[in-house]
Amino acid sequence: DAMVIQNPRYQVTQFGKPVTLSCSQTLNHNVMYWYQQKSSQAPKLLFHYYDKDFNNEADTPDNFQSRRPNTSFCFLDIRSPGLGDAAMYLCATRGLAGSGPSYNEQFFGPGTRLTVL
Amino acid sequence: GENVEQHPSTLSVQEGDSAVIKCTYSDSASNYFPWYKQELGKRPQLIIDIRSNVGEKKDQRIAVTLNKTAKHFSLHITETQPEDSAVYFCAASQGGADGLTFGKGTHLIIQP
Repeated sequence: DAMVIQNPRYQVTQFGKPVTLSCSQTLNHNVMYWYQQKSSQAPKLLFHYYDKDFNNEADTPDNFQSRRPNTSFCFLDIRSPGLGDAAMYLCATRGLAGSGPSYNEQFFGPGTRLTVL
Repeated sequence: GENVEQHPSTLSVQEGDSAVIKCTYSDSASNYFPWYKQELGKRPQLIIDIRSNVGEKKDQRIAVTLNKTAKHFSLHITETQPEDSAVYFCAASQGGADGLTFGKGTHLIIQP
């Protein structure tokens, strides 16, 4: 009954070696978000997809890209990871249909902890 | 863009006492204010949220208040217990599909 799934949970990559993190959801939500959370810091929004529409945050580095091939899946690509990209990457979803109590709620996945060597 | 300030960064209270964490936001267009609890190595967990058309919301020992005019909102935890120890984040968002802007977090320590 997992709702937002992230794979892998732990990822180790080498400096400069491209890496892809994945997120899938069983909620059929039309919005998917990627957040970066560095150690002892707050989550920071990188970008989100509203259906197929990609919305990048102004200060997200070009090194970070995303793909959403269908409603269920969303990928985070880091083209050339640096030591400063080591962090927990959190995927979240939100459904915009309806107006009930959970209308605004974002559902977070367990995160992928990325280590860059 | 939105900016969320959160205070204090660390809060230590005796078990059974109350804890209050405060946040301010800058964008008057923000209309949704959730609070998250995060334990070490785990995902943020929504504990309570409030929309801008409501001034106060309560759920058992947890309450949130919102002052739209002053652009600040607060989390109140009563009768604190050891399991309340965690990092708490406030956040703000506009309507639609916009993501969350988080405060920097408060490390809540419950002293036995």
